[in-house]
Amino acid sequence: QQPVQSPQAVILREGEDAVINCSSSKALYSVHWYRQKHGEAPVFLMILLKGGEQKGHEKISASFNEKKQQSSLYLTASQLSYSGTYFCGLTQGGSEKLVFGKGTKLTVNP
Amino acid sequence: NAGVTQTPKFQVLKTGQSMTLQCAQDMNHEYMSWYRQDPGMGLRLIHYSVGAGITDQGEVPNGYNVSRSTTEDFPLRLLSAAPSQTSVYFCASSYTVKRVEQYFGPGTRLTVT
Repeated sequence: QQPVQSPQAVILREGEDAVINCSSSKALYSVHWYRQKHGEAPVFLMILLKGGEQKGHEKISASFNEKKQQSSLYLTASQLSYSGTYFCGLTQGGSEKLVFGKGTKLTVNP
Repeated sequence: NAGVTQTPKFQVLKTGQSMTLQCAQDMNHEYMSWYRQDPGMGLRLIHYSVGAGITDQGEVPNGYNVSRSTTEDFPLRLLSAAPSQTSVYFCASSYTVKRVEQYFGPGTRLTVT
């Protein structure tokens, strides 16, 4: 079952912030975040494991609320290079599948 | 290391033809998987493998076969191509699926006419 991502698309000006949400109806083991530029393969951003941790990578960070089965990706002070489609992928205990959402298209304009 | 390689990069098939999409990795990864990507649909899991000799179905397995005779290779076979299988196909690999990064290949763009 695909996770639900929101919003589907967002347009920012350089320097603005954005939040991308990912949710599931099933209990989660881990959440994966990837970014894909047009015509390229997805590129790994970060993984969060169950336990409600929050991770950060420069100006991109994420949280994982295990009880709510939700994760959020935070992009602060956005740069032009942040443009692309962001995918969350979810795994569950007892399964070896990594299932991705439909993606959120982020456009950062000058 | 070449990472994850996929061949061909582009392919055009006629309806009913069969073909094999190749995927290989040189990182000694146990876990490999195939996804298809269609506009607005995200990445959908076709088949995956947790090691040589072990494969299982993903979300959209119909019309596709896989095998894993070696750790390095994970080919995807289209038995009788249909226009609905027009898509971009990505192969990915990792040591495990739940706790580490997936490495994606560059993709194969397949058109079925």
